[in-house]
Amino acid sequence: AQKITQTQPGMFVQEKEAVTLDCTYDTSDQSYGLFWYKQPSSGEMIFLIYQGSYDEQNATEGRYSLNFQKARKSANLVISASQLGDSAMYFCAMSPDMNSGGYQKVTFGTGTKLQVIP
Amino acid sequence: EPEVTQTPSHQVTQMGQEVILRCVPISNHLYFYWYRQILGQKVEFLVSFYNNEISEKSEIFDDQFSVERPDGSNFTLKIRSTKLEDSAMYFCASSENRDTGELFFGEGSRLTVL
Repeated sequence: AQKITQTQPGMFVQEKEAVTLDCTYDTSDQSYGLFWYKQPSSGEMIFLIYQGSYDEQNATEGRYSLNFQKARKSANLVISASQLGDSAMYFCAMSPDMNSGGYQKVTFGTGTKLQVIP
Repeated sequence: EPEVTQTPSHQVTQMGQEVILRCVPISNHLYFYWYRQILGQKVEFLVSFYNNEISEKSEIFDDQFSVERPDGSNFTLKIRSTKLEDSAMYFCASSENRDTGELFFGEGSRLTVL
């Protein structure tokens, strides 16, 4: 079974500052994927970034980077230069062994509500 | 830009009624999913679908639920006899393959069971 833990129910950050959203995970799979999704107040789910467990380099997508520490089983999201539009819920998620024949179920964390302060 | 579309955006139904939520995944995608999010809670996996059959389902996806891909474009979730606790936002998602890591989500269908 896979488990995602997000211990920060809510975070505040000043506009233009960087913020780190914590995510730890637990799995017995050797191969897995880690994701971050953004859910604005409109409710849609927006893919932000992906890290494969065998990727040696941390994933980056624009202002988003994933700080992947495999030994510690953490996959923190770093948002640089926060913008007002970054205010949203952020979900960390993981998928199981990709060699099992498809994505199967993605397990989501409980989310962190980020509020960017002008 | 291609996107996953879902209909209806909001449906209100009486307990015990059947509901069908519809999704049009991105056309070249091969993997399809349904997730749900009860208000204020995390997103929960319901079912994944590949090659015209269910590949995995969660404990939530009991006999009241079914999925179908009736034609080449639609992917539907049917709830046979709705319960109050089925009230949630239901998200459809699709992915092209298993290597990119990205699920494309629709905007969701909000189901309210009275």
